[in-house]
Amino acid sequence: ETVLTQTPGTLSLSPGERVTLSCRASQSVRRSYLAWYQHKPGQAPRLLMYDASTRATGIPDRFSGSGSGTDFTLTISRLEPEDFAVFFCQQYGNSPVTFGQGTRLEMK
Amino acid sequence: QVQLVESGGGVVQPGRSLRLSCAASGFAFRTYSIHWVRQAPGKGLEWVAVVGDDGEAKVYADSVKGRFAISKDFSANTVTLQMNSLRTEDTAVYYCAREGQWSKWYLDFWGRGTLVSVSS
Repeated sequence: ETVLTQTPGTLSLSPGERVTLSCRASQSVRRSYLAWYQHKPGQAPRLLMYDASTRATGIPDRFSGSGSGTDFTLTISRLEPEDFAVFFCQQYGNSPVTFGQGTRLEMK
Repeated sequence: QVQLVESGGGVVQPGRSLRLSCAASGFAFRTYSIHWVRQAPGKGLEWVAVVGDDGEAKVYADSVKGRFAISKDFSANTVTLQMNSLRTEDTAVYYCAREGQWSKWYLDFWGRGTLVSVSS
């Protein structure tokens, strides 16, 4: 199966800063079928990006995704207070579908 | 608005059964596949199963194949995950989620999850 490794595990940043999260796959993800989600405690996970770089409906344009093959990134251009959460990636190009372990984004 | 609400979680002994439900509303239930995904304590997410829009196509993770069964109830707009022969490693928060467009297996709406604890 395709193992997704997310780095770093935890980040401490301040509102207004720019952040780039990494998701590396153990093998090439077919058609760049990679999604990013945001998850806050007690809430439903929220889809941010799919197909590596397509923003989901209603997602602000400060979120952007890029990458192909085995290396993917999620960038938040300017952190807002509501952005702090756990972010995880998912590949759905290879069988079985797999998820990364997540990156926790904490407010400094 | 799209809503998915899981229920049925609880504490169960190894070897016993449990049935989870996912109540769907706010969208055309008949036209979407629905997935179950779980997260064990301290672990990442693990995809569990999917049922197709017509309720016929069903795919399972190897870890649950032969023990879990997914189904769609169109009269109640509900997806059920019947979990049999439960093991301690099935302990997790279970989420149901709606599949994205064009049969791509990203998940565009999720529920808040229901906790299943398998323990003697």
